[in-house]
Amino acid sequence: GENVEQHPSTLSVQEGDSAVIKCTYSDSASNYFPWYKQELGKRPQLIIDIRSNVGEKKDQRIAVTLNKTAKHFSLHITETQPEDSAVYFCAASQNTGFQKLVFGTGTRLLVSP
Amino acid sequence: NAGVTQTPKFQVLKTGQSMTLQCAQDMNHEYMSWYRQDPGMGLRLIHYSVGAGITDQGEVPNGYNVSRSTTEDFPLRLLSAAPSQTSVYFCASSRVRGQGRYEKLFFGSGTQLSVL
Repeated sequence: GENVEQHPSTLSVQEGDSAVIKCTYSDSASNYFPWYKQELGKRPQLIIDIRSNVGEKKDQRIAVTLNKTAKHFSLHITETQPEDSAVYFCAASQNTGFQKLVFGTGTRLLVSP
Repeated sequence: NAGVTQTPKFQVLKTGQSMTLQCAQDMNHEYMSWYRQDPGMGLRLIHYSVGAGITDQGEVPNGYNVSRSTTEDFPLRLLSAAPSQTSVYFCASSRVRGQGRYEKLFFGSGTQLSVL
């Protein structure tokens, strides 16, 4: 089955810096890669996703890149703000009409003012 | 729409007790699933369902039972709770479309379960 590895487990940056979180996956059949943000005590919320036929996707300060050959994808956050502090999860799935997501172990991002 | 509703929010059990975590959605979603979240482990799929009467196992199904008698409800049963089942449990749902369609997964607010 699919296995998703995520690094780093914790990441501390200064406000205004960029943050990069990296994930690798094992199943070449996976074709959908969402990223979730989870604030303390809250539910995970989708922040951006990418499909296997796309190499990069941007949404304001957030971007995701995908390298299918190397089986890795990354989340990039620019101009970080204290409210970006949260745990971020990557995930992968085969889209067979629904998503059996396999999640990474999470990255705790701390943005200091 | 209330979205995905989970009850209870918190529960403490003694080893060997049984209980049911409730999950209901009002979005007419075909797909429903249960995840458990443990520190350093991410979210792991327990069971899922793609419609009433259809269920299947995820990554970590042992110790849990599910059934899907209606589109709206997908309860998770712990028959004999063990300390290893102490975790935060999330229910999630989405539409089911054909291949090539990517439907957003909606999460409930979670149930914090402690087994002593």
